[in-house]
Amino acid sequence: DTAVSQTPKYLVTQMGNDKSIKCEQNLGHDTMYWYKQDSKKFLKIMFSYNNKELIINETVPNRFSPKSPDKAHLNLHINSLELGDSAVYFCASSLDGINNEQFFGPGTRLTVL
Amino acid sequence: KQEVTQIPAALSVPEGENLVLNCSFTDSAIYNLQWFRQDPGKGLTSLLLIQSSQREQTSGRLNASLDKSSGRSTLYIAASQPGDSATYLCAVIATGGFKTIFGAGTRLFVKA
Repeated sequence: DTAVSQTPKYLVTQMGNDKSIKCEQNLGHDTMYWYKQDSKKFLKIMFSYNNKELIINETVPNRFSPKSPDKAHLNLHINSLELGDSAVYFCASSLDGINNEQFFGPGTRLTVL
Repeated sequence: KQEVTQIPAALSVPEGENLVLNCSFTDSAIYNLQWFRQDPGKGLTSLLLIQSSQREQTSGRLNASLDKSSGRSTLYIAASQPGDSATYLCAVIATGGFKTIFGAGTRLFVKA
């Protein structure tokens, strides 16, 4: 059973389009995250949610809008895609956002042409 | 502002060698530190989590230590194997929680 899953695995799209990435965890965790890994492989937190509430927003452009319909899901919608949005996006979860290890999804490779 | 640095950026060792990867952080006020490995094109796999009150954690051939006062952690890998080849990342949970700061990683290559 996959603990943290993301769809799609690959996403290729044109500049200006809107796209969504879905994330689901079946671990019963309260906290979920979105990370961006750029072309130099540096991993940076974008958002964290706890019990469906936004806790951290790391100065991400408001073209990125996360949504947590329930504790098991955290989706990421991106409007007006730009070339610089090309990256691998990882979803992760942890039991709480403080004392427990994080588990990562397999990533979504977004390519904006 | 918390910054996490990993040294070396890359390391190549022969099979069987013991090795140490280093991670340093600028602000000692952390909740915990976690080590991950990332294989090419894959997600992150959690290796070890050290709580701020702990000094070390062990799992199999891996041992991670934490010295909060000096802002350092090490990951010791015993008897390295080609299957250990991957990028190793350390990450700290900053005070306040919910925010993880990653180092840039150490790319390890173990030669058979």
